[in-house]
Amino acid sequence: EAQVTQNPRYLITVTGKKLTVTCSQNMNHEYMSWYRQDPGLGLRQIYYSMNVEVTDKGDVPEGYKVSRKEKRNFPLILESPSPNQTSLYFCASSLPGGMNTEAFFGQGTRLTVV
Amino acid sequence: DQQVKQNSPSLSVQEGRISILNCDYTNSMFDYFLWYKKYPAEGPTFLISISSIKDKNEDGRFTVFLNKSAKHLSLHIVPSQPGDSAVYFCAASEGDFNKFYFGSGTKLNVKP
Repeated sequence: EAQVTQNPRYLITVTGKKLTVTCSQNMNHEYMSWYRQDPGLGLRQIYYSMNVEVTDKGDVPEGYKVSRKEKRNFPLILESPSPNQTSLYFCASSLPGGMNTEAFFGQGTRLTVV
Repeated sequence: DQQVKQNSPSLSVQEGRISILNCDYTNSMFDYFLWYKKYPAEGPTFLISISSIKDKNEDGRFTVFLNKSAKHLSLHIVPSQPGDSAVYFCAASEGDFNKFYFGSGTKLNVKP
């Protein structure tokens, strides 16, 4: 079954404690990205990757890091989480090309930073 | 500033009637538009799309209309069913870029 898998689904952490949210896709997609969803703001892109070892900032990259060492995995790293990073996070993957491609989303990770 | 806007946070419709969800965008370079549906505790799932060379695309009960001059698109669901109750996100992209810009979502409630 084609899918994007995120872990963990729920996480409560304290300010400043480094954490990683994993994302894996089994569709051999080149393009992967991370979004955060906040009330009234929709989905905003944090980082994206067009292929292995190629990553770039999205609209709200501050406080986040990513890596793309393998095609299937795209972890999101919060080196020093802060309460304003409390949000619902989604990983997505897609084929390259823009038009006539769709993004496939993971089930989401609800992060709370206290 | 958001380039894709959904100005109605919620919509309530009776089962069997038409649901119309609206979306406006500001970037005239957008040439591909998508609608996603999201249930609670799940990720968004793709519903229907339209490219800028068309003004209408239909898939079963779902039809998306694009008005490029008004920079407006809409999703029509006919007839609406209780299982359609979800949050609907409008998204847009430009050219070969895989960057999608999302609206803030409209929560649809279809009443039995």
